This record gives sequence, structure tokens and C-alpha cells, in this order.
Amino acid sequence: GAVVSQHPSWVICKSGTSVKIECRSLDFQATTMFWYRQFPKQSLMLMATSNEGSKATYEQGVEKDKFLINHASLTLSTLTVTSAHPEDSSFYICSAREPRQGGRETQYFGPGTRLLVL
Amino acid sequence: DAKTTQPNSMESNEEEPVHLPCNHSTISGTDYIHWYRQLPSQGPEYVIHGLTSNVNNRMASLAIAEDRKSSTLILHRATLRDAAVYYCILSPTGNQFYFGTGTSLTVIP
Repeated sequence: GAVVSQHPSWVICKSGTSVKIECRSLDFQATTMFWYRQFPKQSLMLMATSNEGSKATYEQGVEKDKFLINHASLTLSTLTVTSAHPEDSSFYICSAREPRQGGRETQYFGPGTRLLVL
Repeated sequence: DAKTTQPNSMESNEEEPVHLPCNHSTISGTDYIHWYRQLPSQGPEYVIHGLTSNVNNRMASLAIAEDRKSSTLILHRATLRDAAVYYCILSPTGNQFYFGTGTSLTVIP
């Protein structure tokens, strides 16, 4: 299957600082990527849809000024958590939609980034 | 978004087949049925997906009911590495995924 990478795999930061997470599709071009957040013992929650060359679409309840998304190329999307606070500590996961013919598109997920805000 | 219902947990003996059910009575005609699995502290791994016909790949088989209101993921021979949370997701092609709670599969040696 297609490969999606994330960097960093884990990060610890001080409260009030900003953290950037990168998501890359390594062997295909992804016009659309997605960002999810997962708290312990819970399922993945979709945060936003990232479209190459345009503004991201945020899910209801997700602060777009706090979670900045940039999708500047067909293989890279970034999520910046601005002014991070301890409640932002979570497991952040991206996915990339692999284009396929015949409507059989699916998504491939990155390994996740563990964020701990002290 | 069409919802899915999965059992919270299931157990299987190693080297035996596993049938993981998913109910989706409100599925629409354009919804694909996607299956992913997730190990602790890892991103979800693609397993299989289909629209109407049964699908097979090297990892699993997907059996879709004729009325499409339910589906079953079949692992033909469970191994310890198959222990994970399995998610059944409905989505029209290219659309967002909304994850449910999934089924936690335990494989007993």
C-alpha cells in the first residue's frame, strides 16, 4: 500500500509555544489530506480536510486559528498547533487520499505524532 | 453521515478464522465500505474496502450483504499480530472518514 509519513513522531513543548507537524505522502500525490486527533482510549476524531492550494475545511468545534493547516504541495501538509496548552496534548494523525480510477479511492494514514504540552 | 455499528470487543483463537461484523442500515448507494485496523500508538492501517461485490486481498476478505446493510470482515487465519481495533467506515468516494468506536479484537494463543 501507499506510504504516508509524519514528522516528528513525538514532541514535548512548553505551554504557550507553537508546534508544527508534517505529513508527507511518499509515493503518490495527494490533493487531499486529512488531520485527526485521538485521545487515550478513544477513537479518531476528524479535525480538518486539507486541500492542496486552498484553505482547509475545519470540522465543527475545531478552532481554525489554533490549528493552522497548510497544504502547499501535492505531497506535504502541515499542522501547526499555536499557543499550545496541556489540553492540546494528544495523538495527531494525518491521512492522504490516494487517487484511483473507478471511484475506488481510499486513504492511507501516517504513523501519528504524540504531542505532550507541559 | 451514515453510521456503523460494531461489537465493542471480540475474541478469537490463534490460527482460526475471524468474522468481524458491521451493521450499516442507513448506507447510501454511493457509500464505500472501508475497513482499517489500529494497533496502540500507531496510525490506522488500511485493510480492505468495497462497494457492492465481495472483495479479497492478501490481508482479508470483505463480504457485503446483498442489501448492503451489513458487511463482514473475514480474517482467514488469525495470528497474534492481528490483535487490534478494527474500524468499519462508510464514505462516498473521496469524502471524509468519521470513525466509530470499532471492535477490539483479542487473539488468544
